[in-house]
Amino acid sequence: TQLLEQSPQFLSIQEGENLTVYCNSSSVFSSLQWYRQEPGEGPVLLVTVVTGGEVKKLKRLTFQFGDARKDSSLHITAAQPGDTGLYLCASFKAAGNKLTFGGGTRVLVKP
Amino acid sequence: NAGVTQTPKFQVLKTGQSMTLQCAQDMNHNSMYWYRQDPGMGLRLIYYSASEGTTDKGEVPNGYNVSRLNKREFSLRLESAAPSQTSVYFCASSWDSPRIEQFFGPGTRLTVL
Repeated sequence: TQLLEQSPQFLSIQEGENLTVYCNSSSVFSSLQWYRQEPGEGPVLLVTVVTGGEVKKLKRLTFQFGDARKDSSLHITAAQPGDTGLYLCASFKAAGNKLTFGGGTRVLVKP
Repeated sequence: NAGVTQTPKFQVLKTGQSMTLQCAQDMNHNSMYWYRQDPGMGLRLIYYSASEGTTDKGEVPNGYNVSRLNKREFSLRLESAAPSQTSVYFCASSWDSPRIEQFFGPGTRLTVL
């Protein structure tokens, strides 16, 4: 059973548009990470959020962690073709050290 | 620094054949991991090694074995490959706590016919 649900599964937008992807769980996250994966490569960590309600910004990317630590979102402002990739959320169970990944959202930004 | 390297990059096997996927890291990390990635499933942990000399099962260990040869190298072996093991395999490493950041290799694309 997959613990992390990501939505949508696929998103295609034009350059300059905004987009938001979501990561949800019925369980509380102890912390949550967002990764981006480009074709033919391994995932690369973008951010780790730990505190409920936390907001982190990385240039045009804004990451939010829900107050109850059961959900997170990634918002990209003015998307560029270089933002194209697979976005994965991943979390740890409260007392564990094993990372569980969501199914991913594939983002395509067309020029 | 090369980071995490994996060999081979591509492999085709017949059902029942065996093979070993190799992984090495040059970042002096203590912990290493093997994942498989299937469409729509994200990455699933097969095995991990918290430190040299230790290994532990992840979410989907059946059909696989691992060896932590030394601090740098962590190999994944398929003793008798099955079509269900067709996947992309990623090796990763991290400092003592995987909660900080895991660094991933480029992956091995395996097809079992």
